[in-house]
This record gives sequence, structure tokens and C-alpha cells, in this order.
Amino acid sequence: QEKVQQSPESLIVPEGAMSSLNCTFSNSASQSIWWYQQHPGKGPEALISIFSNGNKKEGRLTVYLNRASLHVSLHIRDSQPSDSAVYLCAVSMTNSAGNKLTFGIGTRVLVRP
Amino acid sequence: DPKIIQKPKYLVAVTGSEKILICEQYLGHNAMYWYRQSAKKPLEFMFSYSYQKLMDNQTASSRFQPQSSKKNHLDLQITALKPDDSATYFCASSQEGQGGTGQLYFGEGSKLTVL
Repeated sequence: QEKVQQSPESLIVPEGAMSSLNCTFSNSASQSIWWYQQHPGKGPEALISIFSNGNKKEGRLTVYLNRASLHVSLHIRDSQPSDSAVYLCAVSMTNSAGNKLTFGIGTRVLVRP
Repeated sequence: DPKIIQKPKYLVAVTGSEKILICEQYLGHNAMYWYRQSAKKPLEFMFSYSYQKLMDNQTASSRFQPQSSKKNHLDLQITALKPDDSATYFCASSQEGQGGTGQLYFGEGSKLTVL
């Protein structure tokens, strides 16, 4: 069974700084790795995904994936107070039974003005 | 406007009773899911449906029964409720197969408290 671990548990950064979040997974055959953002009382919302080794940049977000070390990281440049939320790492497996995401417990990010 | 509607947003039930959680999606997706989020635990996959057919069931208990009356509906019936069932239940959908991205879209959740 896939296991997803995230670190740190929580992160406080000043406005304008970089937020860096880490995620490790257990199955190198996993397909896409997703990052979701969840605000209190809301459902998770997809931010960015990555499939291939290397990095992917979208706006202020950069994701790095290293399948050999089973590690993915998310970096949020120029963090804003509105970025304060829980960030969930999720690993996707698609097979004959369909698409299934396995989530980590999340990293709580607080951006201080 | 929310594209995935879950009802009710909050509900309180007594042990042993039965509740139905409602989910409708207006994204035109062909796959729907239920996930559960309990305190201090990761979001946990429960069921997946594709074209109204059950694809995967990771819930050990038969007390949890998904029901799909229309292709954009996936309700969740929970019987013989226990305090351990207290959690927020999220419905999600995605477009699978050709042209799909595999991205899941989530509703805002139904928070269930069992006393």
C-alpha cells in the first residue's frame, strides 16, 4: 500500500519569503504526484502536478520530482498571506480499477504579513 | 458557483442511526469518488465510480454504501453509525480516459458528528 509522508508538519514564513514543502512516497511505480491546497472548511483544490523526473514551474510554484529517491518538493516563491493553508501531497495510481489518490497528512503553512 | 454540491454541510447523528450524504457534480465528469478526512489522519480514499459502476472499494465495512441514481450523482449511505465514523466526507470527480487529466475536483465536504 502506498505511503505518503510530508514534512514539516507546519511552517511559518514572512510575507515575500519562499515556502518549501517536502513529500516522500513509497512506490516508484506511482504515476503523477499532485499538490493540493486546502483552506479551513473547504475541499482540497489542485495546484500543480508532476509526472517526469525534474522540475515544473507554474507561476509562483515550482515542483521538483526525484523518482530514484521517491521525493518531491513544492516551493512557493513570494509567499502571500492568502497562501496560508494546508498543503497536501498526493500520489496517483491509475489501473483497471480507476484513478486513486493517496494523500499525505499535510503541511500547515502560515504566511505572516 | 460550486461545481460539486454536497449536502448537508453539517450533520449530527446518534449512534446506531443512519444517514445519507448527497453529492452532485456539474463538471460533466465520468468518474466520482468518496474520500474521508478524520482528525489528524490523511484524506482517505473510500470508493470510486466510473459511468455509475463501482470501480474500487477500499472501505472494509459494508455499513458504507455508495448509491448512484444518475451519472452525476453519487450519494453515500452510512448505517449503524458509530462515533468513529465522525469525519468530514468529501465527494470528488474527475474526467478519466482519453482527454482526461486525472485531476480530482472536490466538493466542500459534509462534516458528520456521531454522538
